[in-house]
Amino acid sequence: QVQLQESGPGLVKPSETLSLTCTVSGGSINNYYWTWIRQSPGKGPEWIGHKFSSGGSMYNPSLKSRVNIFIDTSDNQFSLKLKSVTTADTAVYYCARGVLEIGTSGVWLDLWGQGTQVTVSS
Amino acid sequence: QSVLTQPPSVSGAPGQRVTISCTGSSSNLGAGYDVHWYQHLPGTAPKLLIYGNTNRPSGVPDRFSGSRSGTSASLAITWLQAEDEGAYYCQAHDSRLNTYVFGTGTEVTVL
Repeated sequence: QVQLQESGPGLVKPSETLSLTCTVSGGSINNYYWTWIRQSPGKGPEWIGHKFSSGGSMYNPSLKSRVNIFIDTSDNQFSLKLKSVTTADTAVYYCARGVLEIGTSGVWLDLWGQGTQVTVSS
Repeated sequence: QSVLTQPPSVSGAPGQRVTISCTGSSSNLGAGYDVHWYQHLPGTAPKLLIYGNTNRPSGVPDRFSGSRSGTSASLAITWLQAEDEGAYYCQAHDSRLNTYVFGTGTEVTVL
């Protein structure tokens, strides 16, 4: 049974870099779109970006200048780095596995982690 | 950045049928992009309920069904159960924003 688990600091100072890791256990990291999503209180989820296992990536234009997603196939992990954070980046951050099938239009997320709270504060 | 609009809440008695709407625009659902639905129960990881407008992943009960027409989509839950209480979100690609977007979310309450 494949599981995803987020890890990383729960508190980040303004202007610093938020770094989170998602560990994929029980399955391969190949041939999926590894995705980060966040959700602030009272709002719907926000797609941060995704990276395909063999390299291609797509980031939300509203975050593109500050975000990077990396995949470590040897450790079956993928990570998120978000630079120059502000209090507006405080949210629950989720990692997820994305799927895209021939004949469909758009990635969907068939497996999610539990989420991790990240607070930006001095 | 929620460009897909859902009702904030719906409720129903056990055994009843409820529907959740997801209203988009010409740059997402109206452009033909597929809609997907997720269930987020308290204290658990979000779960995929419907993908590609109408398809249920293995293990999702057939009490859950999806439909889509034009710039809107709907999720129906029949035979409502207490365990269905939680938040539900739609998701699709948006060509104007050039990213994937989620709905505003709907809280389902079982009376």
